[in-house]
Amino acid sequence: KQEVTQIPAALSVPEGENLVLNCSFTDSAIYNLQWFRQDPGKGLTSLLLIQSSQREQTSGRLNASLDKSSGRSTLYIAASQPGDSATYLCAVPDTGGFKTIFGAGTRLFVKA
Amino acid sequence: GAGVSQSPRYKVTKRGQDVALRCDPISGHVSLYWYRQALGQGPEFLTYFNYEAQQDKSGLPNDRFSAERPEGSISTLTIQRTEQRDSAMYRCASSLSGRGETQYFGPGTRLLVL
Repeated sequence: KQEVTQIPAALSVPEGENLVLNCSFTDSAIYNLQWFRQDPGKGLTSLLLIQSSQREQTSGRLNASLDKSSGRSTLYIAASQPGDSATYLCAVPDTGGFKTIFGAGTRLFVKA
Repeated sequence: GAGVSQSPRYKVTKRGQDVALRCDPISGHVSLYWYRQALGQGPEFLTYFNYEAQQDKSGLPNDRFSAERPEGSISTLTIQRTEQRDSAMYRCASSLSGRGETQYFGPGTRLLVL
């Protein structure tokens, strides 16, 4: 059974700092991995989708890497801004079905 | 273009009542997912549709929960004989095709069962 864990659960950093959010999964036979952002009281917004054949994806100040063999993905945020404050979730499709498994998320707070 | 919409945004009901939650996916999106999200947790998968076919309902917690997508577009999640433990945020997402595509989420329906 696929399980997704995100560390840390919460993170507070000063503005301008570079940071890394971690996501680990137990079954390495994943099809892809997605990173989402969730603002309080809002829906989820897709940030990056990494296919299993890729090692990383970049969008602006965000870079997501994927290491299937070790069951890990990282989301790197460069030069953090207060507007980056949100919960970041990673998700993978469950093997053998259509279920998507989410981690519990990392709550990020960037202080001005 | 229009994103995924859900209605109602908030629903308060009494224990034992039936509720129907609606999801209107992005036009042309084949895949539709329903999730339930508790506070401080990631979304929990409920069910998946490919067009009108419900291809995975392994996440539905019990037989009080059902979902349909009769014409391959709008979907309804129905909870019969609601219980207080059903209180949660219910979210819908759609994607252009099947697995491997980005999922686009709606704003969710907050359900409160008194």
